[in-house]
Amino acid sequence: AQKVTQAQTEISVVEKEDVTLDCVYETRDTTYYLFWYKQPPSGELVFLIRRNSFDEQNEISGRYSWNFQKSTSSFNFTITASQVVDSAVYFCALIITSGTYKYIFGTGTRLKVLA
Amino acid sequence: DSGVTQTPKHLITATGQRVTLRCSPRSGDLSVYWYQQSLDQGLQFLIQYYNGEERAKGNILERFSAQQFPDLHSELNLSSLELGDSALYFCASSVFDYGYTFGSGTRLTVV
Repeated sequence: AQKVTQAQTEISVVEKEDVTLDCVYETRDTTYYLFWYKQPPSGELVFLIRRNSFDEQNEISGRYSWNFQKSTSSFNFTITASQVVDSAVYFCALIITSGTYKYIFGTGTRLKVLA
Repeated sequence: DSGVTQTPKHLITATGQRVTLRCSPRSGDLSVYWYQQSLDQGLQFLIQYYNGEERAKGNILERFSAQQFPDLHSELNLSSLELGDSALYFCASSVFDYGYTFGSGTRLTVV
């Protein structure tokens, strides 16, 4: 069965702290994609990153970085020097592309960055 | 403005009714996706269309249907509405797969 677990329901940090959001996934498929989305208080969904199962390179985009490790089935997201504008719910998602497409979302982690 | 337009922004309707949600994708995007976000079920993928053809199907109920028209806009039809269908419905679009740009959503309230 496929599953995405975001064990951290809510995290609070003080501005400028680094924070890591965990995402653990389960699948037996060898071809899949992992995503992170952000949902700020205004409610819209924002795509952050897509990573395919064959590319374990970590990625950095400004203050955001992602650590993909197939050995532990994890795709963690780190925000460096957090800012109040980072306050949002962050969703991790697994998309299976072999055979019938399947989209599995995690339950989200609410990040509160305090000034 | 993300470039993906969803109408209406809010919709209140009674149980048993039928509604149509509309999505205009970003210019140049061929794929349209529909998602449902509710307190009970969280975020769920419903269905994807690519250039008019259904490409992927998720947790879409039989009471729901969708289509993508030749001009690439898409409509999500929800019928025999139940209280549990109350949710935020998002549309997203991308050039190929995997939904990159989201609309601001349609909040459906079934009373």
